[in-house]
Parts: sequence; structure tokens; C-alpha cells
Amino acid sequence: GAVVSQHPSWVICKSGTSVKIECRSLDFQATTMFWYRQFPKQSLMLMATSNEGSKATYEQGVEKDKFLINHASLTLSTLTVTSAHPEDSSFYICSASPGHTGNQPQHFGDGTRLSIL
Amino acid sequence: AQSVTQPDIHITVSEGASLELRCNYSYGATPYLFWYVQSPGQGLQLLLKYFSGDTLVQGIKGFEAEFKRSQSSFNLRKPSVHWSDAAEYFCAVVVNGNKLVFGAGTILRVKS
Repeated sequence: GAVVSQHPSWVICKSGTSVKIECRSLDFQATTMFWYRQFPKQSLMLMATSNEGSKATYEQGVEKDKFLINHASLTLSTLTVTSAHPEDSSFYICSASPGHTGNQPQHFGDGTRLSIL
Repeated sequence: AQSVTQPDIHITVSEGASLELRCNYSYGATPYLFWYVQSPGQGLQLLLKYFSGDTLVQGIKGFEAEFKRSQSSFNLRKPSVHWSDAAEYFCAVVVNGNKLVFGAGTILRVKS
């Protein structure tokens, strides 16, 4: 149980392109979804938290107009990297939780490796 | 500020040997603590969690962790390591209600 699917797993695209990454909870309803960014050989950095039906809450330093997050249903959240540039290349990982509180573990997708040429 | 420290960047153990990965946290209240494992190019898998109660928690794949409030630690242990355990391990603490703060991670190498 508690499976999170993230798609695509790998994206290579030209600079200036917008890229959409999907995160789906397959067997539970995800009240809260999280988006992380992971640089090579580093830990995960939280980008934003999204609750179904409301606007995402972004961490300090994360451009909300650059990284658009939509959480329109209890099983789907999307991250769109708008006008992507090489510095946006990274490993993006989503997670989903069935609740709002910290005692509800986050379940992670397999990540999306984004390479901007 | 709340933080998690994993002092060992790399650890190498022989297959069949015991393992302990260290984790120290900085958090004022009773923490919610987690250990996750990440294989290369993949997401994170939850190994175990501590919320309250028994300070020794059992997880999947034969892992266990012990919460020691006096030492602000939550070390991960396994009595006998298998080659398939080679991966990166992250300790994390919940802050601000439901956000996870991760340690820097420890890369485990298993030699045969």
C-alpha cells in the first residue's frame, strides 16, 4: 500500500521549454503533497507544500512563478517548471501524505530527473 | 532552528557485519523521526518511524532504530547487512506540523 507514482522519470529538453511533472497517489487519498529538489550528492530540499484545492505554500527562496504547483484532486499534484533553463536541471521528487499532521508519514515517488540543454 | 545531523557521509561494512548509522536532531519538542532509504536514481522508501512510546522501533528489511532523548539521537541499526542494503540513508524530523527536514544522508557501501 501507499504507492506514489511520479511521471516522467526522465526529461531532457531545450532551454526555454516548460516541463510538467505529475505525482499521483495510487491507493490512498493524498490530502497533502510535497515537492522536493535534490542536487547531486546532496539531501532533499523542500520546495513547496500543497493541499488539495488550495494554493501551494512555497519555501523561502523558491520562485512560485517559476515552479507552478497544482493540486486539483486528492490523488494528483503537478509541478510545472516554466521556461526552464540549465540551472533548473535537477532531480525532483514528490511525496504524498494522507493527512495534514506530522504523524502521517510521507510516501515518495521515484523522482524525475530533469536535464535542460 | 530545527536540524538533523548525520555525521557519517560514507560508511563501508562487510556483508554479514552489523551496522549502525548515526542521526542527531535538534528540536525542542518531542520529535517525529523517520529513516528513509534511497537507491540511486530513485525516490525514498520509508524504513521506520518514531512518534511516541517504545523507544526501540522496528522497521522493514530487518532495520531498527532507538530513540534516545538524552542524546538527541535516533540511530539506525541492522544486525547483519546484506549486499542489497547498499544505498543512501536519510534521517528526517518533522517540523512546523508536517514538513520534513532531512539530514545530509549517509552512503552505505557493502563489501563482499
